[in-house]
Amino acid sequence: GAVVSQHPSRVICKSGTSVKIECRSLDFQATTMFWYRQFPKQSLMLMATSNEGSKATYEQGVEKDKFLINHASLTLSTLTVTSAHPEDSSFYICSAAPASENQETQYFGPGTRLLVL
Amino acid sequence: AQSVTQLDSHVSVSEGTPVLLRCNYSSSYSPSLFWYVQHPNKGLQLLLKYTSAATLVKGINGFEAEFKKSETSFHLTKPSAHMSDAAEYFCVVAKMDSSYKLIFGSGTRLLVRP
Repeated sequence: GAVVSQHPSRVICKSGTSVKIECRSLDFQATTMFWYRQFPKQSLMLMATSNEGSKATYEQGVEKDKFLINHASLTLSTLTVTSAHPEDSSFYICSAAPASENQETQYFGPGTRLLVL
Repeated sequence: AQSVTQLDSHVSVSEGTPVLLRCNYSSSYSPSLFWYVQHPNKGLQLLLKYTSAATLVKGINGFEAEFKKSETSFHLTKPSAHMSDAAEYFCVVAKMDSSYKLIFGSGTRLLVRP
C-alpha cells in the first residue's frame, strides 16, 4: 500500500528557533500534499494545501510567513515552523494524494510531535 | 457548509460486543464521507468511504457504515469488537470549494474492555 513518512517523528526546540518537518511519499508520486495540525485530544485542522511546483494555499487564520511550505518535488513537501513559540507545540500531520488518483484518496503520515520550550 | 458532528467523545465496549460510533453530517450537496482510524504513533488509516454509490459501505477490519440521508447520519458499526480496535476514530466529510479539503469531526475514542 501507499506509504507516507514524516521526519522527524518528534522534535523539541527552544523558543525562537525554526523547525523543518519533512513529508515524503515513499512509493508514489503526489501532486498534492496537505498539512494538518492536531492539538491534544482534538481533531485535525487543515493548515494548508501544497501543490508541486506552486505556492501553497493556506487556510484562514494560518500565517503563511510562520508556516513555510515547500513542495519542490512529487515525493517531498516540507513544513518549516519559523521562530517557533510554545503555542506552536502540537502534532503536525501530512497527507499525500497520489497523482494517479483523485484527491479523495489521501494517505497520511504518522505525524510529528513538536514541543517548543 | 460541510461539517460533521461526532456525538460521543468516548465509547467503551467489552471485547466481542458490537461497536457503534455515531456521526451526523451537514452538507449542501451530496457528500463524500469517510471514517478514519488513528492508532498511537501510526498514520491515519482509511476504514471506508461513501461516495454516492451503495448506502451501506463495507470497510476494512469488519467495519461498515450506513449512509442515511433522511437522518443525515453515517454511523460506523462492527458486530464484534477486538482489543486491537481500541483507537481514535474520525468521521470526515469532503469539501470542495476553491480546492479539495477534508473536514474532520472531533473524534471518538474507542475503549475495548477485556
